[in-house]
Amino acid sequence: DTEVTQTPKHLVMGMTNKKSLKCEQHMGHRAMYWYKQKAKKPPELMFVYSYEKLSINESVPSRFSPECPNSSLLNLHLHALQPEDSALYLCASSHRSGALDTQYFGPGTRLTVL
Amino acid sequence: DAKTTQPNSMESNEEEPVHLPCNHSTISGTDYIHWYRQLPSQGPEYVIHGLTSNVNNRMASLAIAEDRKSSTLILHRATLRDAAVYYCILEKVGSPGAQKLVFGQGTRLTINP
Repeated sequence: DTEVTQTPKHLVMGMTNKKSLKCEQHMGHRAMYWYKQKAKKPPELMFVYSYEKLSINESVPSRFSPECPNSSLLNLHLHALQPEDSALYLCASSHRSGALDTQYFGPGTRLTVL
Repeated sequence: DAKTTQPNSMESNEEEPVHLPCNHSTISGTDYIHWYRQLPSQGPEYVIHGLTSNVNNRMASLAIAEDRKSSTLILHRATLRDAAVYYCILEKVGSPGAQKLVFGQGTRLTINP
């Protein structure tokens, strides 16, 4: 099983809402990633978790709050977002987040902020 | 960090070979070359990676120039399912910390039936 699942597929939220994105993998991977992808642009790294600890935060605004409750699950909590945060949010996982690791991506959650 | 340059778009015909170029003139000795692709409405998927020698796998071949300043991803017999955005990415190996893949703009490949 080389699948990374993400829920929900689509999410519409207002600027005052609080919502969460969920990502799950059962490949035994110990590294998980959040990327943001605007329309017709490449994915941009947001966060990396390695062995359930946050190892990279690419200066992401605090209205995005990641959480890794266990090695299979990665959440992204959203609060007070802006319309410009509308994008496709991609989750990925890899064996250990070391050099030459292959990242496996989920299909993404398409987020619209009104 | 070394950057990659790819054509914005390319077009090819079904069942013909496709050569996707990538320039990385500032590549360093510890940079590996990765290729990922993103099919419509999907997340990116790994295609192939290499350092100096040409590489083959079931999906594609990677030809790396002798000076490593450029590389070419080769799809030997394109199908309609190969229509995607192809990203050429450099990864610096040996630096401490978690893996960071920095995606460039990519090449949008269209396959004509």
